[in-house]
Amino acid sequence: DPKIIQKPKYLVAVTGSEKILICEQYLGHNAMYWYRQSAKKPLEFMFSYSYQKLMDNQTASSRFQPQSSKKNHLDLQITALKPDDSATYFCASSQGTGNTEVFFGKGTRLTVV
Amino acid sequence: GDSVTQKEGLVTLTEGLPVMLNCTYQTIYSNAFLFWYVHYLNESPRLLLKSSTDNKRTEHQGFHATLHKSSSSFHLQKSSAQLSDSALYYCALSDWETGNTGKLIFGLGTTLQVQP
Repeated sequence: DPKIIQKPKYLVAVTGSEKILICEQYLGHNAMYWYRQSAKKPLEFMFSYSYQKLMDNQTASSRFQPQSSKKNHLDLQITALKPDDSATYFCASSQGTGNTEVFFGKGTRLTVV
Repeated sequence: GDSVTQKEGLVTLTEGLPVMLNCTYQTIYSNAFLFWYVHYLNESPRLLLKSSTDNKRTEHQGFHATLHKSSSSFHLQKSSAQLSDSALYYCALSDWETGNTGKLIFGLGTTLQVQP
């Protein structure tokens, strides 16, 4: 019974288009995150939110915009998609941000053609 | 900046043999938190072990690791590999600065393949 739901599981997009990756968590956590994993690279931290406020942004490009409509939602909008954006995007959450256990979703695999 | 090194990309073992997956890290801060995550195919990465205490063995589900700050290491071990241990294992790091924002720094991961 997944507690962090990511939609869709797979996504194919055309270069230049815009997509939104959906994430909802039902763990009652206050902090949510996005990580990205590209081929042959480690899981890479992108954003962290705590109580719906941005805590850290390690993404250089403004094409990546998190959107938090509710405390348990953190969607990721990606605009002007490029082939290099192809990766698996993992949503995660934790009770707080102070080195507590981080729980991950199953990921959305994005392919940009 | 902080970094995590997992030198082995793939470790192949016969069932019943001991497992050791290497992890070393770099950070300028003394209060490092180290984690091992396990990622089974088509599942979510999940926490296996964590530690912030120097020279203290941490155990969970048959795996153990000891944080050695003197050598900046946090190797994952198991006495006897099982077929069900086949998965991708990530070592991760946070410190007092990154921990405040919840950021984890991951290594490249080691794929463990256990053969009959």
